[in-house]
Amino acid sequence: QKEVEQDPGPLSVPEGAIVSLNCTYSNSAFQYFMWYRQYSRKGPELLMYTYSSGNKEDGRFTAQVDKSSKYISLFIRDSQPSDSATYLCAMSVRRLGAGSYQLTFGKGTKLSVIP
Amino acid sequence: NAGVTQTPKFQVLKTGQSMTLQCAQDMNHNSMYWYRQDPGMGLRLIYYSASEGTTDKGEVPNGYNVSRLNKREFSLRLESAAPSQTSVYFCASSERSSDGYTFGSGTRLTVV
Repeated sequence: QKEVEQDPGPLSVPEGAIVSLNCTYSNSAFQYFMWYRQYSRKGPELLMYTYSSGNKEDGRFTAQVDKSSKYISLFIRDSQPSDSATYLCAMSVRRLGAGSYQLTFGKGTKLSVIP
Repeated sequence: NAGVTQTPKFQVLKTGQSMTLQCAQDMNHNSMYWYRQDPGMGLRLIYYSASEGTTDKGEVPNGYNVSRLNKREFSLRLESAAPSQTSVYFCASSERSSDGYTFGSGTRLTVV
């Protein structure tokens, strides 16, 4: 079983829709949870960063972490064509012996918001 | 603009040629990373440097070497390029390894 699973999509929604993007994970030691947005031919950019279970809101974006179910979500309200991108979940764990945290990425979900 | 700068943006190599991908950050970050991104495979860690003077292997280090030249710069070297190394390469940095990363805009490498 892969450590992080993410449906690659593609996901196509009309402008104004609520978008739900999800990832599941198997390693209960993951401590930090992030969402990155990647536009075509660009590098990923950090969108949301959470540590604990629960919700974190930033404008139209809400990140949700459920550690008991090993499930994280990103909700986008009032989606816009400019939200069309690939969204990658990522989570980190401290590696014993390495003394540092390492980030594991999902493979990304491609989202298209149609005007 | 502050951030992570990668050079070159595009490169075509012949099998067996060598090259170095350059990466520099101006955010005074301690940790730096090299990833490759392939269709259907996602982002895979090649090498990372948790702090100046240290480097460690990631998930896919074979065929690559790295140098943390100073706190700002982290280079990736392909000694003898192979077609399997055709990919988009991203450099990233973070203040601490537990922080979110700042990525560069990538180098698109084709090995023929």
